[in-house]
Amino acid sequence: TQTVSQSDAHVTVFEGDSVELRCNYSYGGSIYLSWYIQHHGHGLQFLLKYYSGNPVVQGVNGFEAEFSKSDSSFHLRKASVHWSDSAVYFCAVSANYGNEKITFGAGTKLTIKP
Amino acid sequence: EAGVTQSPRYAVLQEGQAVSFWCDPISGHDTLYWYQQPRDQGPQLLVYFRDEAVIDNSQLPSDRFSAVRPKGTNSTLKIQSAKQGDTATYLCASLGRDIQDTQYFGPGTRLLVL
Repeated sequence: TQTVSQSDAHVTVFEGDSVELRCNYSYGGSIYLSWYIQHHGHGLQFLLKYYSGNPVVQGVNGFEAEFSKSDSSFHLRKASVHWSDSAVYFCAVSANYGNEKITFGAGTKLTIKP
Repeated sequence: EAGVTQSPRYAVLQEGQAVSFWCDPISGHDTLYWYQQPRDQGPQLLVYFRDEAVIDNSQLPSDRFSAVRPKGTNSTLKIQSAKQGDTATYLCASLGRDIQDTQYFGPGTRLLVL
């Protein structure tokens, strides 16, 4: 069984700052990791994914994430945030290289101050 | 391409009442999911289908919840005798035949049980 942990429930930064949202997972086999964003009152939207190859993956709107097997982590980063990045971010893990059955973390609420 | 659609968007019930949620997945997607998302938590899988068959309903409270997808397209999730603890957003998602693709989420139905 795979598990995923997002240690920060809330993160607040100023517009233009960089940000890192943390995600750690546990699973002993082949793993598929992704990040989703949820704006208030909306469903989840896919940001990016990793399952093999280059451990740094690029997503939409300037987001990137880095996979680390040694740290069991898949942290999400953005160099310069915009007010529209205010949302809840979910890290997700699934097994066996596929996205068929996903386990989501509890989410990190990102607030951008002007 | 139309996205995943859900109705209603909101529902308010008294305890003991019944409610049904409807989902129309992306055309051609054979896998359909229902998630429950309590406030300030990540989505938790209730049940998922491939075509009309239930693949996993182990997390569906079978005494009061039921889900069907009779023609392998649209799906209905029903709660009989709702409880206050059922207050949550109910998300529908769909996935195409490539399981390395992302799950696509609908906007959700926000349920409040008084």
